Parts: sequence; C-alpha cells; structure tokens
Amino acid sequence: EVQLVESGGGLVKPGGSLRLSCAASGFTFSNAWMNWVRQAPGKGLEWVGRIKSKTDGGTTDYAAPVKGRFTISGDDSKNTLYLQMNSLKTEDTAVYYCATHDFYWGQGTLVTVSS
Amino acid sequence: DIQMTQSPSSLSASVGDRVTITCRASQSISSYLNWYQQKPGKAPQLLIYSASSLQSGVPSRFSGSGSGTDFTLTISSLQPEDFATYYCQQSSSTLWTFGQGTKVEIK
Repeated sequence: EVQLVESGGGLVKPGGSLRLSCAASGFTFSNAWMNWVRQAPGKGLEWVGRIKSKTDGGTTDYAAPVKGRFTISGDDSKNTLYLQMNSLKTEDTAVYYCATHDFYWGQGTLVTVSS
Repeated sequence: DIQMTQSPSSLSASVGDRVTITCRASQSISSYLNWYQQKPGKAPQLLIYSASSLQSGVPSRFSGSGSGTDFTLTISSLQPEDFATYYCQQSSSTLWTFGQGTKVEIK
C-alpha cells in the first residue's frame, strides 16, 4: 500500500525558511517522479513543483510563484522527499501535500507564514 | 501553462439528483484529465483518471467523459457522502494544473 506522510510544517515569520519532508513507502521511491501541491486556506489546489527520478535525470520544475525560493530534493536511501522553502511570504501559507506522479497523495502539513 | 476552467463554481443539489460538472482545458490534453473529491480538512481523493477510468474503490455512480479540451464528471445519483468539493487536474504536461473547484452543497 502506498503511503506518503508529510512533516515539518509550522509557524514561521516572513522571510524565514522551513523544510518539509515526505516519507514514502509501498512503492519504489527511487523510480518515482514526485510532486508538491499546496492549498491556501479556503482556496483551491496549486501545483508547487516536481522532481523526476534520478534515472530520468532528477530534474526539477517549479511553479512561477515559488521559483527561485523553493527547492525540491529527494533521498533515495531514506525514501524521503523534501521541500526547502526560503524567503517565505505570507501568501505561502497553505497545507502542503506531496503526491506521486500517479496520483497518490499524503495527508498534508500546514505551513503558516505570519509575524 | 495549460489553464483549466471548471464550471459551475458551486451548485446546490438534492440526494438522488444527477449532477454534472464540466472542465475545459486551454489546449488539447488528450485524455490526461483526472477528477478529485475533497472533503473539509482532508486530502483530495482521486475519483477518475485518464478522463474516464474509475479509480479502484470509487462507487460506480461516478463517471467521467471527454477528450481534447472538454471533460465532464457525472454523479448519477447524489448521495449524502458526495457533498464535497470536486477538482479537475490536467496531467498532459508534467507541470500539473487544476481547475478552481466545484463545491457541491445540499439543497
């Protein structure tokens, strides 16, 4: 059974940094393309970015609002996906979900950016 | 980027009603269209993938159709547990985009 468990959310001040983790199990993580999706309070779903598997180049792509501030990486030895978020803004406040490229999702972790 | 436009943004319906939600892509996405159901405080759940394939465990009252740019999600007979928000998502591009959501409320 595929399981994705996000962690690392919390309250951070504008301009601060936070790293989210997504622990994966039930599939071959090293072969998977992985995504981050977020949802601001009361709003819709917004794709954040994606990392390809190392065998497919390991490249990343990001949505325009986070490009240059967020970095996606993965540790195949730990079956864990990361989202490093820097220069956080109040508009980054959201629940952050990790998701496989074949549409399995975690339960999300809340990030609140506020002074 | 491929833009996804859902309609309506909300609707009120009664138990037993047939409900239809539409999603339009800004360019052809073949059949790379997925539908999700989301309830408050929960992660989205995949209902339909590849425009018309029912995800395992999803009731058969849910169905999807369409290809190219125009797609439809139909709930044949609305049940109490179906009151939720529904999103379409394109996966034609590896850069996903979502519709803005349709909230299905009790009439």
